[in-house]
Amino acid sequence: QSALTQPASVSGSPGQSITISCTGTSSDVGGYNYVSWYQQHPGKAPKLMIYEVSNRPSGVSNRFSGSKSGNTASLTISGLQAEDEADYYCSSYTSSSTFYVFGTGTKVTVL
Amino acid sequence: EVQLVESGGGLVKPGGSLRLSCAASGFTFSSYSMNWVRQAPGKGLEWVSSISSSSSYIYYADSVKGRFTISRDNAKNSLYLQMNSLRAEDTAVYYCARDSHSGPTILEWGQGTLVTVSS
Repeated sequence: QSALTQPASVSGSPGQSITISCTGTSSDVGGYNYVSWYQQHPGKAPKLMIYEVSNRPSGVSNRFSGSKSGNTASLTISGLQAEDEADYYCSSYTSSSTFYVFGTGTKVTVL
Repeated sequence: EVQLVESGGGLVKPGGSLRLSCAASGFTFSSYSMNWVRQAPGKGLEWVSSISSSSSYIYYADSVKGRFTISRDNAKNSLYLQMNSLRAEDTAVYYCARDSHSGPTILEWGQGTLVTVSS
């Protein structure tokens, strides 16, 4: 099971919007609506930001939104803030012999 | 408040064994599937293993299949990972993580325990 493909880095200025892509296959991202996004600050545990493609857990800012088209899911951060600078990982359920697959990770830099 | 506290990490020689534990609190442990996810130093997240609430369903990543064993004790609210035949590439922070009730989604994570495999 190969990792889902994400861009290594994305950057933006405060207030701007950025989008992170997550590309998989029909066996994972394209086949199921179980795509999640996690934010991870250095030295910290990941935090769930989006689940089931586009749902936000309680307490997560509405500046974070998710979507999916075919085998590619996307995370959009609008109104970029300094605190959004972190690593972001997508994850999907997979029908392969494993269960979950994670993305390669994207470092978000706020300029 | 959900709490997941990992323990058991440390330095082990290649070929050695280690058993990780995760103490869960703040939720009905026996009702949730649980996972182990690892992160090598400076690298991304890698799912390792999942176990259903009653231990009926167990899954492993190909990279650990045959070497690692996941288990749980619902009476003790604890999750375990027995790691045998350890390799240098198993060096990572190992996170215990709880699944959602509504489908395959990892909701919460512990703070992790570091496993270092080195001679």
